[in-house]
Amino acid sequence: EPEVTQTPSHQVTQMGQEVILRCVPISNHLYFYWYRQILGQKVEFLVSFYNNEISEKSEIFDDQFSVERPDGSNFTLKIRSTKLEDSAMYFCASIPTGGGSPLHFGNGTRLTVT
Amino acid sequence: SQQGEEDPQALSIQEGENATMNCSYKTSINNLQWYRQNSGRGLVHLILIRSNEREKHSGRLRVTLDTSKKSSSLLITASRAADTASYFCATVFGGSNYKLTFGKGTLLTVNP
Repeated sequence: EPEVTQTPSHQVTQMGQEVILRCVPISNHLYFYWYRQILGQKVEFLVSFYNNEISEKSEIFDDQFSVERPDGSNFTLKIRSTKLEDSAMYFCASIPTGGGSPLHFGNGTRLTVT
Repeated sequence: SQQGEEDPQALSIQEGENATMNCSYKTSINNLQWYRQNSGRGLVHLILIRSNEREKHSGRLRVTLDTSKKSSSLLITASRAADTASYFCATVFGGSNYKLTFGKGTLLTVNP
């Protein structure tokens, strides 16, 4: 069964550094998402992406965050200047169509900012 | 807040028993979904119930939806140790963008 893959599985970075989290959504999917989960807390929506542009973003997704689909397969989340509070699991998800479909999640990237 | 909220926050049962988890939400929804998360892993979709449905089954899972009470329940029958995980409900609201909003989850522990 096709899967959403995320790399790396664990990223450690120093405060103020830029990180790029990478995702390869399922190939025929059209809608892409990033969610994050701070340890022990709920899964929070960051951003949705469709047709090469952001569809919706949460208040968490400030100017430090950006997303890109640089080619036909990758979907990236960039954090320009990481803060300690950015430490979390970041999950990528995709769906084939816009309505009524369950999300397919990757296994996540654990980001640790020191 | 529009998010679903599950209760209980944690549930510990013996293998073979049934586990019931509840979810409440605040606004009208298009559908409600239940996901499972093993520790440190991604979320796996379990079941989706649409706003015009009242009950849905999938294997040992039974989900109910009461839109008048804005609540849903997930029942896992004949639980197994392998069912140990966190379970989240997620709601999809009306609107042009398709976005899931998750609750805080229920940590289920099934003791062998």
